[in-house]
Amino acid sequence: ETGVTQSPTHLIKTRGQQVTLRCSSQSGHNTVSWYQQALGQGPQFIFQYYREEENGRGNFPPRFSGLQFPNYSSELNVNALELDDSALYLCASSLVVAGGPLFTDTQYFGPGTRLTVL
Amino acid sequence: GNSVTQMEGPVTLSEEAFLTINCTYTATGYPSLFWYVQYPGEGLQLLLKATKADDKGSNKGFEATYRKETTSFHLEKGSVQVSDSAVYFCALRPGAQKLVFGQGTRLTINP
Repeated sequence: ETGVTQSPTHLIKTRGQQVTLRCSSQSGHNTVSWYQQALGQGPQFIFQYYREEENGRGNFPPRFSGLQFPNYSSELNVNALELDDSALYLCASSLVVAGGPLFTDTQYFGPGTRLTVL
Repeated sequence: GNSVTQMEGPVTLSEEAFLTINCTYTATGYPSLFWYVQYPGEGLQLLLKATKADDKGSNKGFEATYRKETTSFHLEKGSVQVSDSAVYFCALRPGAQKLVFGQGTRLTINP
């Protein structure tokens, strides 16, 4: 069984640039959630993707966007980077059973991507 | 709204000491409750969970009981080891898609 993987591990960008982070879900999982973890804080929910569509969003502006692909992997895109976007970005995968309740089973996290905005 | 409050850290203990990390929550309905652990430089690992009142989650010697009457999910371990040093996060899933996390408690175990 393959766990959740994320790339890149670390990334340095400058203010105003755009960034794309990638996530491969755990084998057998069909749902991906993204979280932002600022230094010394708990993770904050950004959004979730299920069946290639956004399925819930936290309090983040539209410059945070995402995609999910047919193989259930996902991307997080952030436009017009700001200094406060510096954080650890975590991806979590889970399994939602079709026809069941549209909330997720246990979420399993990847190691994260550390984004630094200068 | 939904929120989680954890005891403030950092917490420092000696090896083989008893551990309690307090967690209380505010939620509508009947959330599932979780403890995640984060080792230095890594992502979050699920430690244990409980999905309904009076359930006890347990794993690797850690335990937590879902107490609806006190809205709590305190983490306990009878004898900690140096390898337990990490940041511990309490979280709830309020029946929607997201997890809501506490601010985390940093635990350091000294030999």
